[in-house]
Amino acid sequence: GAGVSQTPSNKVTEKGKYVELRCDPISGHTALYWYRQSLGQGPEFLIYFQGTGAADDSGLPNDRFFAVRPEGSVSTLKIQRTERGDSAVYLCASSWDAKTGELFFGEGSRLTVL
Amino acid sequence: AQSVTQPDIHITVSEGASLELRCNYSYGATPYLFWYVQSPGQGLQLLLKYFSGDTLVQGIKGFEAEFKRSQSSFNLRKPSVHWSDAAEYFCAVGDMNTGFQKLVFGTGTRLLVSP
Repeated sequence: GAGVSQTPSNKVTEKGKYVELRCDPISGHTALYWYRQSLGQGPEFLIYFQGTGAADDSGLPNDRFFAVRPEGSVSTLKIQRTERGDSAVYLCASSWDAKTGELFFGEGSRLTVL
Repeated sequence: AQSVTQPDIHITVSEGASLELRCNYSYGATPYLFWYVQSPGQGLQLLLKYFSGDTLVQGIKGFEAEFKRSQSSFNLRKPSVHWSDAAEYFCAVGDMNTGFQKLVFGTGTRLLVSP
């Protein structure tokens, strides 16, 4: 499809396990973003990539969270030693240019940590 | 720090009636304001944005919003609601200095449309 694709759509894991969430942005979009949406809350910024590099990772909550975008397209959000508080919907978005302010969001990956 | 307040968690509107969703922001400089809609099974979609100029901005799906600096508000309006407008609506503020990548969202307002 032409939109932002995120996999898996749902992930259930146990506390302490490692999780990877994948994002396929819209073709040609250079900017890629990860947000996290907890129940009853709005999306919260995690990290922003311009090309291959993380231009702003100030929203990552701690060093258990890490994200990569090695070829400037697909991105993977990695969470180590998951905790129950990590349960949320992880949203990926992309845009032509960060200065437009228009983000195209995927449907999200719902993570449940038991 | 920037913040956004959406005081209404839920709103129910009859189909065909007018709609206004409230949004208040806190930001020290000129804000860059957005409304996004999240429909079931779909990603967040941009409805409209305000950067500068005319304080009444038109968006997609018949929505408009008015920026009122004196009230620190950016309320979303639609003159006649359709059943397909039932969704969650998020107001967000961006920062020109960070290039809009770090949007701050409100907690959202869920719109229910009654027949």
